Amino acid sequence: QSVLTQTPSASGTPGQRVTISCSGSSSNIGSKYVYWYQQLPGTAPKVLIYRNNQRPSGVPDRFSGSKSGTSASLAISGLRSEDEADYYCATWDDSLSGVVFGGGTKLTVL
Amino acid sequence: EVHLVESGGGLVQPGGSLRLSCAASGFTFSSYGMSWVRQATGKGLEWVSGISTSGGSTFYADSVKGRFTISRDNSKNTLSLQLNSLRAEDTAVYYCARGAAEIDYWGQGTLVTVSS
Repeated sequence: QSVLTQTPSASGTPGQRVTISCSGSSSNIGSKYVYWYQQLPGTAPKVLIYRNNQRPSGVPDRFSGSKSGTSASLAISGLRSEDEADYYCATWDDSLSGVVFGGGTKLTVL
Repeated sequence: EVHLVESGGGLVQPGGSLRLSCAASGFTFSSYGMSWVRQATGKGLEWVSGISTSGGSTFYADSVKGRFTISRDNSKNTLSLQLNSLRAEDTAVYYCARGAAEIDYWGQGTLVTVSS
């Protein structure tokens, strides 16, 4: 059971907009920065969004992040086949004194 | 460019030990906290341990506390994880990652298999 809650799966057709949510508590999302990672099959995770809504250079602006209270969201617009991957949210948890991850969301592009 | 290269994984019997290493390059290693994160086959990411820039503060997941030890050598740009009293449930790919509270780069991982 992960500390951060994500829906296990999501799907969309090419060109659509998809949103992945991440729910936590005051000791983690509510008071800390949220990161989002993309993990393509057979590869290491890569940061997509850092500090709630910042995109590293090289990440398309189709990807955006937001945070409100104890929840965060990753939005992917203009869905493409290469976006099919696992997506994880993460943040620091003050109560646990450690990094916590969501269980991951498997995105399927239909 | 940031590079993190893990080594030291392999097959070990239950109760055995292993030492993982991570060679860092492309950034000022001593200026960043570091972490180890693992992933069992077909499962999600699990944070294992973190360490401050100087090594003076260390953090562990409850699942490994007392069995794993994280350390770093800033003179050699190297992060290490000593794994003792290994269990079958420790079987996973172990990733070295830059950042203790905020992880922004990952290595490619090294596989640890605990089996008799």
